[in-house]
Amino acid sequence: GAVVSQHPSWVICKSGTSVKIECRSLDFQATTMFWYRQFPKQSLMLMATSNEGSKATYEQGVEKDKFLINHASLTLSTLTVTSAHPEDSSFYICSASNSKGAGYGYTFGSGTRLTVV
Amino acid sequence: TQLLEQSPQFLSIQEGENLTVYCNSSSVFSSLQWYRQEPGEGPVLLVTVVTGGEVKKLKRLTFQFGDARKDSSLHITAAQPGDTGLYLCAGPINQAGTALIFGKGTTLSVSS
Repeated sequence: GAVVSQHPSWVICKSGTSVKIECRSLDFQATTMFWYRQFPKQSLMLMATSNEGSKATYEQGVEKDKFLINHASLTLSTLTVTSAHPEDSSFYICSASNSKGAGYGYTFGSGTRLTVV
Repeated sequence: TQLLEQSPQFLSIQEGENLTVYCNSSSVFSSLQWYRQEPGEGPVLLVTVVTGGEVKKLKRLTFQFGDARKDSSLHITAAQPGDTGLYLCAGPINQAGTALIFGKGTTLSVSS
């Protein structure tokens, strides 16, 4: 089945530094990947849609200059949290689909727990 | 933007009990998915329902898609401690979109 690998699984960084999170589709090509953020005891909130070879589409309220997304290949999308602050601490999850769209469900990465101190 | 209302938010039951989780919307969805998420992990797809009135079974889990495709339910029979987790319903964010929106989730705790 479709496998999505996310790395790192957890990271602790100092306030003001940048952190890069990688999302890889291991056995399929994903022209589109999605980045979600999940706060404790809350649901997943879509941050942005990552399109291979083009600019990402950000949801309202998500700062594109703070959350840099790069989708340089069909199997890799990266999310860089720039100048991280404690309020950016969250669980970040990526997903991808090798199907024709949202009607068929998605495979999610295992998530990255970011803690900014 | 379509919204998904999920209830109950929290559910704590004893092993062997039955339970139902509901996912409702005022909008029509082309499909709905149910996911289960454990702490520190990403959601894992349980089922996708596409046809109005559709019923799918996955062992002790029964999923139903409403006739009008505005709601769905997840019924667990004889719950076990291993069923403990966060259950999320999700659907396409809009008619043309491929991203998902999620309900707020139901945290299920099954004690032995």
